[in-house]
Amino acid sequence: QSALTQPPSASGSPGQSVTISCTGTSRDVGDYNYVSWYQQHPGKAPKLMIYEVNKRPSGVPDRFSGSKSGNTASLTVSGLQAEDEADYYCSSYAGSNNLVFGGGTKLTVL
Amino acid sequence: EVQLVESGGGLVQPGRSLRLSCAASGFTFDDYAMHWVRQAPGKGLEWVSGMSWNGGRIGYADSVKGRFTISRDNAKNSLYLQMNSLRAEDTALYYCAKGYADSGSGSSDYYYMDVWGKGTTVTVSS
Repeated sequence: QSALTQPPSASGSPGQSVTISCTGTSRDVGDYNYVSWYQQHPGKAPKLMIYEVNKRPSGVPDRFSGSKSGNTASLTVSGLQAEDEADYYCSSYAGSNNLVFGGGTKLTVL
Repeated sequence: EVQLVESGGGLVQPGRSLRLSCAASGFTFDDYAMHWVRQAPGKGLEWVSGMSWNGGRIGYADSVKGRFTISRDNAKNSLYLQMNSLRAEDTALYYCAKGYADSGSGSSDYYYMDVWGKGTTVTVSS
């Protein structure tokens, strides 16, 4: 159960697109489509943004999209807005009823 | 309103025990998997443990396996985490989270979390 690998930081200007990667192994991201992304603002609880690789829960803007290729999943935020500035965490099922999170990426809107 | 309220955190000495509770309301508790996720000060999220609605699926992070035990009482709409042999590295904000199910896809609710509590703080220090 090693943490998934995310870049510590990412940034973009308002209106631009930014993509955050999440690299796992063939035992988690590569083996299951149970990948999710969470947004966490400072001092707040996480919020589910993407599940099952590329699906959005009700209420999440379609500016947020997810994808996966091999052992790497990605979150793309299009049309960046100031309120998108937050920490983002990926998560994957890792078999044997275990879940694993990534280390988190701090997204800065310039 | 769907709500999760954690309790039971506090300051505890290394090697001692603590039991966290999570009171659920606003949804049918015994329809959903539940999880514990923790966040050390200034650090990222770490999944700790999860349990399906009926206890048929239970998982633990390697870092807590053999020391922590998750349980639930569906009659009381409550989730618990018994933490034994606590270590300094267990110091964190502990969140309770509800499993998310996409009824349309038919996938299990075990893999994602859509409702989170505010957390309860556990500090392990002598």
